[in-house]
Amino acid sequence: KNQVEQSPQSLIILEGKNCTLQCNYTVSPFSNLRWYKQDTGRGPVSLTIMTFSENTKSNGRYTATLDADTKQSSLHITASQLSDSASYICVVIGRYSTLTFGKGTMLLVSP
Amino acid sequence: DTGVSQDPRHKITKRGQNVTFRCDPISEHNRLYWYRQTLGQGPEFLTYFQNEAQLEKSRLLSDRFSAERPKGSFSTLEIQRTEQGDSAMYLCASSPLVIGKNIQYFGAGTRLSVL
Repeated sequence: KNQVEQSPQSLIILEGKNCTLQCNYTVSPFSNLRWYKQDTGRGPVSLTIMTFSENTKSNGRYTATLDADTKQSSLHITASQLSDSASYICVVIGRYSTLTFGKGTMLLVSP
Repeated sequence: DTGVSQDPRHKITKRGQNVTFRCDPISEHNRLYWYRQTLGQGPEFLTYFQNEAQLEKSRLLSDRFSAERPKGSFSTLEIQRTEQGDSAMYLCASSPLVIGKNIQYFGAGTRLSVL
């Protein structure tokens, strides 16, 4: 069964601090992996997309890594801001471009 | 606004009633997806259209659920004889048909509450 597991389930950090979110997956066949940010009551918004051959990709203060051999990915957020408070969802894209979502990590950035 | 739009944003219904949701994808996006998201969970795939053809359906899509995209543009998702377990956020997404560029753009969702 295709699965995407994320950790931690929730995280509270102080504004300005860094954090790293983890994602492990078993989706096969694998096309690419994406991190989404979902604000409460809104649809997910794509942050990064990584293909099989990419190890690192950055988008501003967000840096995603991918190890396709161990089927692990991480999302590192640098110098967190209050607006970073959201759910961060790891999504693995497989056949027909269908998405398998993780349950997300709820991040709260505290002033 | 040229993003994916969903209507209604919220729907409250009594158990046993039928409900229908609409999704208008980004124009010229060939692919359209429906997902369901319950509280504290990530979205779960329901079904997928390429133009007007429904190419894949999840086992989550029971006989009470039906989705259509008759003209390859907007799509509707109907739930018949709603149950309390159907309460969730129903998300629609669309993407262009470009190999290697399967970025999906999501709507804000329709939140269904079945009483």
